[in-house]
Amino acid sequence: KQEVTQIPAALSVPEGENLVLNCSFTDSAIYNLQWFRQDPGKGLTSLLLIQSSQREQTSGRLNASLDKSSGRSTLYIAASQPGDSATYLCPRATSGSRLTFGEGTQLTVNP
Amino acid sequence: DADVTQTPRNRITKTGKRIMLECSQTKGHDRMYWYRQDPGLGLRLIYYSFDVKDINKGEISDGYSVSRQAQAKFSLSLESAIPNQTALYFCATSAPTGSGEPQHFGDGTRLSIL
Repeated sequence: KQEVTQIPAALSVPEGENLVLNCSFTDSAIYNLQWFRQDPGKGLTSLLLIQSSQREQTSGRLNASLDKSSGRSTLYIAASQPGDSATYLCPRATSGSRLTFGEGTQLTVNP
Repeated sequence: DADVTQTPRNRITKTGKRIMLECSQTKGHDRMYWYRQDPGLGLRLIYYSFDVKDINKGEISDGYSVSRQAQAKFSLSLESAIPNQTALYFCATSAPTGSGEPQHFGDGTRLSIL
């Protein structure tokens, strides 16, 4: 059972484009939702964390929103750069801060 | 220095061997986790611990055991390794839910079992 679904699975865009990554989850009983990036062969780097009582968070060119009622979160990346190329993950946190992951979106930004 | 350190970073071993992966953290967090990552399956939780005396099974604990030696140390053992345990393993730490702080991950241990 896939509890977290990320669409698209892969995305390739030219540099400078604004883009949206989508995340949906089957259980709205979440404590928070986090967005991470993972570079090939590397660990996970936290980008944004949205608490269940919040609707969005912003950091630089990144904006993440959370709609618990519809079970969706989106990550908006403005003016994409080649350095944004990575796999993006949006695990949801349940009790005990346990994270449930989807398969991620693999983003390639072409110069 | 990294907040969450995993050793070794890479390991190749043979079927049937006992393997220990180690994790140490300087975040001062009580909560620690072990995940494995496989292509096409994302990260899955193996075991987690909320303090030194607490150990809990995750989604895929069969074939694994853990030890929480201290607040800062959490090790994962494969008693008799098998090839389908070949994966990328991550250790993570967190503050209590609601703290507003994200989980912190180590750089991973790439384990290959021949």
